[in-house]
Amino acid sequence: GESVGLHLPTLSVQEGDNSIINCAYSNSASDYFIWYKQESGKGPQFIIDIRSNMDKRQGQRVTVLLNKTVKHLSLQIAATQPGDSAVYFCAENYGGATNKLIFGTGTLLAVQP
Amino acid sequence: DTEVTQTPKHLVMGMTNKKSLKCEQHMGHRAMYWYKQKAKKPPELMFVYSYEKLSINESVPSRFSPECPNSSLLNLHLHALQPEDSALYLCASSQRANPGDIQYFGAGTRLSVL
Repeated sequence: GESVGLHLPTLSVQEGDNSIINCAYSNSASDYFIWYKQESGKGPQFIIDIRSNMDKRQGQRVTVLLNKTVKHLSLQIAATQPGDSAVYFCAENYGGATNKLIFGTGTLLAVQP
Repeated sequence: DTEVTQTPKHLVMGMTNKKSLKCEQHMGHRAMYWYKQKAKKPPELMFVYSYEKLSINESVPSRFSPECPNSSLLNLHLHALQPEDSALYLCASSQRANPGDIQYFGAGTRLSVL
């Protein structure tokens, strides 16, 4: 299940299940969105991106969905594996001419064997 | 190769010390970034360099002084820091500073200010 509180929001899933991580973004003018994965002791690692003229994009085992009407982004991970355990951040490009990213709160994905 | 190398990995400094963080990339990227990340929080942008020129300073206190001596190197000079500056400092680079250019991150320098 998913929990939000004083700690990082956590999503706990069983190995082999599909995971869905959600993100609400703030700026309706944002036109580019990215998902990053951050493992303990490492920097954020690019997973997948999507531009605002699309509503869905697929990668290897991952799919990103964009709903601009409600300013919502989701990351779907198929057949979740223990190596997927990490903190996942969505980030939005805040518009303008420069590559300025604003990161969301983050969700900790815990994969149970 | 999408490697951004940051040194040192860990740094402990006193409030009166002067130290520097170093970031290096050899991907031919012309945009480089500094972020600050507190525990269990998202990265927060500090500075953006484009073609070795500072293009964004997110109102960062002057005790943090960035420098981009060439297209492959980015430094962050630290002086008179406060304990609340303890954090993970992340460097990133992208091909250009254009919206949509993927930013690649280093592993970070974990800084402790005593």
